Amino acid sequence: DQQVKQNSPSLSVQEGRISILNCDYTNSMFDYFLWYKKYPAEGPTFLISISSIKDKNEDGRFTVFLNKSAKHLSLHIVPSQPGDSAVYFCAASVTGANSKLTFGKGITLSVRP
Amino acid sequence: GAGVSQSPRYKVAKRGQDVALRCDPISGHVSLFWYQQALGQGPEFLTYFQNEAQLDKSGLPSDRFFAERPEGSVSTLKIQRTQQEDSAVYLCASSSDINYGYTFGSGTRLTVV
Repeated sequence: DQQVKQNSPSLSVQEGRISILNCDYTNSMFDYFLWYKKYPAEGPTFLISISSIKDKNEDGRFTVFLNKSAKHLSLHIVPSQPGDSAVYFCAASVTGANSKLTFGKGITLSVRP
Repeated sequence: GAGVSQSPRYKVAKRGQDVALRCDPISGHVSLFWYQQALGQGPEFLTYFQNEAQLDKSGLPSDRFFAERPEGSVSTLKIQRTQQEDSAVYLCASSSDINYGYTFGSGTRLTVV
């Protein structure tokens, strides 16, 4: 049973527009959430994170929103750039549980020039 | 080193062969993780070390999988009697503080034929 779900396998957006990547989770014990970006033949790269005590975290063009009651988080990229084209993974952890991460299946973002 | 180094990058093994995958974490990182990523899936947790102590091996799929980190730095993931379902990318990550996420290596792609 997947505890972290990224239901859309792919997303295509125009350069300069907003990209919204969604993620849902089922385990109410999760209290820390991360987004990773992955290019082909490379390992995932940490992008941004959010603690469950917050509902928003912003870093440059990247903003993560957390809705605990809906068990839903989203990553907004504004403005989207062609270099953002990659696979994005949502991950979650339970603080104190050795920081073990549970990942979603990922979503492939394509940003069209 | 500057990043997490994994070797070999690619490994082809005949079914039944034993393999050893190496991970050299970022110097000074206490925590080290191994993940398995099957095609089209997100990374799945295998095992976790804090220094030389293996604190969690709950993700190891069978007793054919064994990991060690004897001196608290370099780690080796060993798979005995490989089977086709072991074919995947094996990712190693190290961390000093989960708030900044892990740093992943580029992975070892294992193909069992």
